[in-house]
Amino acid sequence: SQQGEEDPQALSIQEGENATMNCSYKTSINNLQWYRQNSGRGLVHLILIRSNEREKHSGRLRVTLDTSKKSSSLLITASRAADTASYFCATDAPGTASKLTFGTGTRLQVTL
Amino acid sequence: EAGVTQFPSHSVIEKGQTVTLRCDPISGHDNLYWYRRVMGKEIKFLLHFVKESKQDESGMPNNRFLAERTGGTYSTLKVQPAELEDSGVYFCASSHGLPGQDYWLFFGPGTRLTVL
Repeated sequence: SQQGEEDPQALSIQEGENATMNCSYKTSINNLQWYRQNSGRGLVHLILIRSNEREKHSGRLRVTLDTSKKSSSLLITASRAADTASYFCATDAPGTASKLTFGTGTRLQVTL
Repeated sequence: EAGVTQFPSHSVIEKGQTVTLRCDPISGHDNLYWYRRVMGKEIKFLLHFVKESKQDESGMPNNRFLAERTGGTYSTLKVQPAELEDSGVYFCASSHGLPGQDYWLFFGPGTRLTVL
């Protein structure tokens, strides 16, 4: 099983709506990171939340972290067509701080 | 500042052939990573260099894969001989520090490898 699993696998919303994606993981972490991948491009870092933080904001992004439930959520408010992409959560691998473990991602489609 | 670059962007080869992928990290980034995404599955770690040394190659699938990082600059990932299951997108990433120390990764655009 994966360290990070995103839910839902796919999400389709209209422009202006909010999008919420969830991530679950299995082991203790130092931090959790969210990345975005536009089609045919590399992943781009969005936001990092430390294990001792519960919520973090960056522009239209809001991330929460619940270490007791080993879960995180990414909220994108007032979505735009340009937000159409795949979103991945990533955690530092158990027992090592030197690499990230990614899940399968959530594919977000924002329509006009 | 130039980002992480990868070459080629696409490669189509026959089973049994050899392919070499190249990654140029962001200048000054000691940490270089290779990841792979097979169709529809998670992005999986392959290996991690610190400068020219392999720090962790626990994700390398088998001995058909060979990674090098000459002089601590660019890196190459060679697959020899390629098999059908090697098809996927190979990402390179670099960072100034370690993820567990709150550094994040800068990714290249990936090389899409298709083995026929």
